[in-house]
Amino acid sequence: QQQVKQSPQSLIVQKGGISIINCAYENTAFDYFPWYQQFPGKGPALLIAIRPDVSEKKEGRFTISFNKSAKQFSLHIMDSQPGDSATYFCAAGKGGGSQGNLIFGKGTKLSVKP
Amino acid sequence: EAGVAQSPRYKIIEKRQSVAFWCNPISGHATLYWYQQILGQGPKLLIQFQNNGVVDDSQLPKDRFSAERLKGVDSTLKIQPAKLEDSAVYLCASSLDLGSGTGETQYFGPGTRLLVL
Repeated sequence: QQQVKQSPQSLIVQKGGISIINCAYENTAFDYFPWYQQFPGKGPALLIAIRPDVSEKKEGRFTISFNKSAKQFSLHIMDSQPGDSATYFCAAGKGGGSQGNLIFGKGTKLSVKP
Repeated sequence: EAGVAQSPRYKIIEKRQSVAFWCNPISGHATLYWYQQILGQGPKLLIQFQNNGVVDDSQLPKDRFSAERLKGVDSTLKIQPAKLEDSAVYLCASSLDLGSGTGETQYFGPGTRLLVL
């Protein structure tokens, strides 16, 4: 019930293409869904996040689509660039107060070819 | 604004030895997290502090791992004795914690890469 399942494990996209990464969760108590980007040798950095009261959130080239009934959410990277090559993690969090711990997916390694 | 600082960046030890990692969170951040990231997997929470109190340590292997945040700022994570399966990157993160629940950004440090031989 605490798992977050992420797919695909790896993804190769041509420059200018659309990258799509999917995640699914089981615990309906989750109420916060962030995506993190991690470059080699660095810690993860927040990219974009969504709450279940909206179905989509867009920030620049990055969009989260959220399907509450299916318990799925996805990250779309439009006009993918070589600089987007990194590992992307979805996560889910729940609770109130200081219960901010996140459950992470296993990650997707994205390679954008020039 | 300075980010989350961690040291050392790399550590190689033999099994059964002990090791300690240090984290300095972003100034003013009340909540501090330690995560373990095994190669090819996402980070897994080990322990969460709010100020100097433990909020969640349910996934911390307490027979060998310990952590403290004595003055509500810096934190240390210790492994004693280390096992081969402890080889991983240990990430420290911090968040402001305005008391509004989840959704407050966690800022991660660069991590400490541990190799246990």
